[in-house]
Order: sequence, then C-alpha cells, then structure tokens
Amino acid sequence: EPEVTQTPSHQVTQMGQEVILRCVPISNHLYFYWYRQILGQKVEFLVSFYNNEISEKSEIFDDQFSVERPDGSNFTLKIRSTKLEDSAMYFCASSDLTGQTEAFFGQGTRLTVV
Amino acid sequence: GIQVEQSPPDLILQEGANSTLRCNFSDSVNNLQWFHQNPWGQLINLFYIPSGTKQNGRLSATTVATERYSLLYISSSQTTDSGVYFCALNYNTDKLIFGTGTRLQVFP
Repeated sequence: EPEVTQTPSHQVTQMGQEVILRCVPISNHLYFYWYRQILGQKVEFLVSFYNNEISEKSEIFDDQFSVERPDGSNFTLKIRSTKLEDSAMYFCASSDLTGQTEAFFGQGTRLTVV
Repeated sequence: GIQVEQSPPDLILQEGANSTLRCNFSDSVNNLQWFHQNPWGQLINLFYIPSGTKQNGRLSATTVATERYSLLYISSSQTTDSGVYFCALNYNTDKLIFGTGTRLQVFP
C-alpha cells in the first residue's frame, strides 16, 4: 500500500541551527502539507503546497520556515534558525487531485531543540 | 473560524468494552477524517467520512453533516486500541483542522 515516508524519525539539534525535514509523498498525489504537534497538544496546520508553490500557510509558518520540492519525489521543510519552541512532532501529508479528499500522513519526525 | 470539539477528552475502558467518541463541528465541511495516534506518535488513518456510515472490523463511523457531528464506535476494545483519537476536517480550504482529541486507555 502506498505510504508517505519521512526522514529522519528523530532529530536533535542545537538552538540556532538549521534543520531540514524530508518527506516522500505518495507518488500520484499533487497536494503536500506540513503539520506540527507540540507535545500533548493537537495537530496544527503549517503549510500546503501545490503546483510548486505555497497555496496556504498558517501564522505559525513565519520567515524562519520554508518548503521545497527539489525533485519529483521529495518534499522538504526547512527551519532556518531553530528555537526551543520549535520542538515538536512534524508530520508530512499528501492528498490527490482536489486537495479536499483523504489526506495521508507520514510517521512523523520528532524534532528536539536543545 | 470553524470550531471542532471532541468528547470525552479522556476515556478509560476494560478490554472487551464498547465505546463511542464524538466530534462536533460548528459549520458545514467538505471532508472529515478520523485518525488514531498510537503511543509512538504515528497518525493512522481510520476513516474518510464526510457523510454516511462506514465500518472497518471492530470500528465504525457515522457522520451526520446536516447536524454537524461525527461518531466513532469502537467495539470489543483491545489494549492496542489505546492512544489518542482525532477527528479532522476541511472547511473551504485544503488544510485539515484537528480537534483536541480523545485519549483512550484500554486495560486488560
């Protein structure tokens, strides 16, 4: 069964460092997303991406965040200068043509900023 | 914006018991999904159910879009059902808005 895969599963980084979280969406999907979940809280939307550009972003997704689809299969989230409050589980998701059909999530990357 | 409320917030069951989890939302939606977040943090798709009823093994779900709620039924619960259950919905955009979740603990 097709699935969304994320790497790494865990990442520990020092405050101020840049991190790149990687995702391989389901191959025939065209809409890609990043969500995050701070420990013990609900899952929050960060950004959606379609046709090689951001289609929607939340107020959390400020200038320290960026997304990219560098090739035909990968989708990345870059955090430029990490802060302690960026510690969270980050989920990548993808959906097919319309973007308002079923979304499938990766297993998550747990980011810890120390 | 749209409000998504889940109840109960916490649920403790003995193995074999049945349960009903509820998701209320404040406006009409295009899409509604149920997820199970297991103890490792993974989000597992359970149902894509903008309306109607679906069943998958011991789990079933019903969404009554006109009355703005969805129910997730778990029958004959097992310890592996433990975790957090989220409903999430699309409301005129591509993003999913998640509820606050129901934390389920099933004891042997």
